Amino acid sequence: QVQLQESGPGLVKPSQTLSLTCTVSGGSISSGRYYWSWIRQPAGKGLEWIGRIYARGGTNYNPSLKSRVAISVDTSKNQFSLKLTSVTAADTAVYYCARDHPALEYWGQGTLVTVSS
Amino acid sequence: QSVLTQPPSVSAAPGQKVTISCSGSSSNIGNNFVSWYQQLPGTAPKLLIYEDNKRPSGIPDRFSGSKSGTSATLGITGLQTGDEADYYCGPWDSSLSVVIFGGGTKVTVL
Repeated sequence: QVQLQESGPGLVKPSQTLSLTCTVSGGSISSGRYYWSWIRQPAGKGLEWIGRIYARGGTNYNPSLKSRVAISVDTSKNQFSLKLTSVTAADTAVYYCARDHPALEYWGQGTLVTVSS
Repeated sequence: QSVLTQPPSVSAAPGQKVTISCSGSSSNIGNNFVSWYQQLPGTAPKLLIYEDNKRPSGIPDRFSGSKSGTSATLGITGLQTGDEADYYCGPWDSSLSVVIFGGGTKVTVL
């Protein structure tokens, strides 16, 4: 059974960079069949897709975040990561990682990131 | 505001049926597969339906998906109290090159 677990700081200061890691267990991130995605959800609001990476190369990012976001993969650690620069209070949300294709089938439990000084 | 339109809420008595609509366009629902997700309070979303009408292993056949043109529908029969959750549709959008989500529909069991 594939499992995903997000990790990273729960508090980030405005203008700084949010960095999260998703550790995958129960399957190889480099199997090549899947996309590895990040999604976020502000409190009381809906889901927002951030972007995804294909383990063999290639990324897609939400155009609304594209100038600030980068997703990378570390196959040796079976992890993929999210970096979001120049954060503001509007980036406060629960961040989820998920395995995609043909749909977002496996999700992490989510991690709350608060942007505040 | 989402490019996909879902009703904010639907409700029905236990044992009854509810349907949740998701209206989009040719760049998303009309030409791409639709997925549906269930989010119970305080938990991560869970995949219910993929490729318009397929259920992952372990999802009961009380949940069904269909699509016609640029609209998709999630059906839940034999409604249970445990079905109280938010439900999201989520296809790929070819014009935006993103996965997009509907605004979500809250299901209440009366």
